Amino acid sequence: GENVEQHPSTLSVQEGDSAVIKCTYSDSASNYFPWYKQELGKRPQLIIDIRSNVGEKKDQRIAVTLNKTAKHFSLHITETQPEDSAVYFCAARSGGSYIPTFGRGTSLIVHP
Amino acid sequence: ETGVTQTPRHLVMGMTNKKSLKCEQHLGHNAMYWYKQSAKKPLELMFVYNFKEQTENNSVPSRFSPECPNSSHLFLHLHTLQPEDSALYLCASSQDRANTGELFFGEGSRLTVL
Repeated sequence: GENVEQHPSTLSVQEGDSAVIKCTYSDSASNYFPWYKQELGKRPQLIIDIRSNVGEKKDQRIAVTLNKTAKHFSLHITETQPEDSAVYFCAARSGGSYIPTFGRGTSLIVHP
Repeated sequence: ETGVTQTPRHLVMGMTNKKSLKCEQHLGHNAMYWYKQSAKKPLELMFVYNFKEQTENNSVPSRFSPECPNSSHLFLHLHTLQPEDSALYLCASSQDRANTGELFFGEGSRLTVL
């Protein structure tokens, strides 16, 4: 089955800095890579996703990049703000399954 | 409101109690999931149902018993739990044939086992 590794487990940045979270996956058949954000005491919610036929996708201050050859993908947050503080989960889903495999999460702390 | 509702939001139970968690989705999805969230394993998949049929049981102890009477409702029956079962239990739903397969989560049920 799919295995997703996520790093770092904790990331602390100053407001205005950029933050990068990296994930690797094992199944070369995986073709869909979503990112979820979970604020303290809230439910996880999808913030951005990317498919295997695209190398990069951007939505305002967040962007995701995908390197299929190396089987890794990353979340980039620019100009971080305190409200970006949350736990971020990456996931990978194979074309043969509708069930995503999640990474262990990254706790992002943005200091004002 | 994402359309996935969980009750109760908080539950405290003794190890000999029997209780149930309920999840309801109004999104017309056909797949429903139970996840356990704890400090040790942030998002641990427990069970998956697709069109009321269980398609995944991730080696979950039998003291957790899921039930899916229809595509909109999912239950997790709890019996003789252990203190280490204390966690946030998240329900989610998705449309299995959708291109995105986005999971919509409920707010979770915070379980404390004494």
